[in-house]
Amino acid sequence: GAVVSQHPSRVICKSGTSVKIECRSLDFQATTMFWYRQFPKQSLMLMATSNEGSKATYEQGVEKDKFLINHASLTLSTLTVTSAHPEDSSFYICSARGPGNPYEQYFGPGTRLTVT
Amino acid sequence: QQQVKQSPQSLIVQKGGISIINCAYENTAFDYFPWYQQFPGKGPALLIAIRPDVSEKKEGRFTISFNKSAKQFSLHIMDSQPGDSATYFCAARRRTAGTALIFGKGTTLSVSS
Repeated sequence: GAVVSQHPSRVICKSGTSVKIECRSLDFQATTMFWYRQFPKQSLMLMATSNEGSKATYEQGVEKDKFLINHASLTLSTLTVTSAHPEDSSFYICSARGPGNPYEQYFGPGTRLTVT
Repeated sequence: QQQVKQSPQSLIVQKGGISIINCAYENTAFDYFPWYQQFPGKGPALLIAIRPDVSEKKEGRFTISFNKSAKQFSLHIMDSQPGDSATYFCAARRRTAGTALIFGKGTTLSVSS
């Protein structure tokens, strides 16, 4: 149980375009999801907390107009990178708070974004 | 954002040896301390976790030791195996502000056979 999926697993887009990444909790409902980004050989940096039915809470330094987060249902959160640039190339990972233990978080497999 | 410090950055251990990774946190606004294992190109997977009211937790070959007064916690991997070669992250859960996880910088473990 407690499986989180992401789609797509890899995406290549041209500079200036937008790309949407989906995060789904497959076998449980997740009122709260989190989005992280990870550069090669570095740690996971929290970008935002996504709450179902309300606006996301962004971490300091994260541009909310560039990284649009929508949590429209209890099983789906989306991250849209708008007007992507090469510096946005990164590994984006989502997580969801577990169904039983509120302390546990389960991570998706990640999405590799490359902006050319 | 970095409030969890992790060391060492990399670690090489012989097969059968003990791997030890240390973390320290900077404030008391955390209430849960998990360790994650990550393989290249994959998302992190929860290994073991501890609450601050417990000083030690063991699950199989993995043990967390927690020192609340020193604000430190560590992961011990007993009988390390080549399959344990991965990057390990400690994390701390914020008590408030969305209860998100703040991660350490990671430790790359290589277990030589």
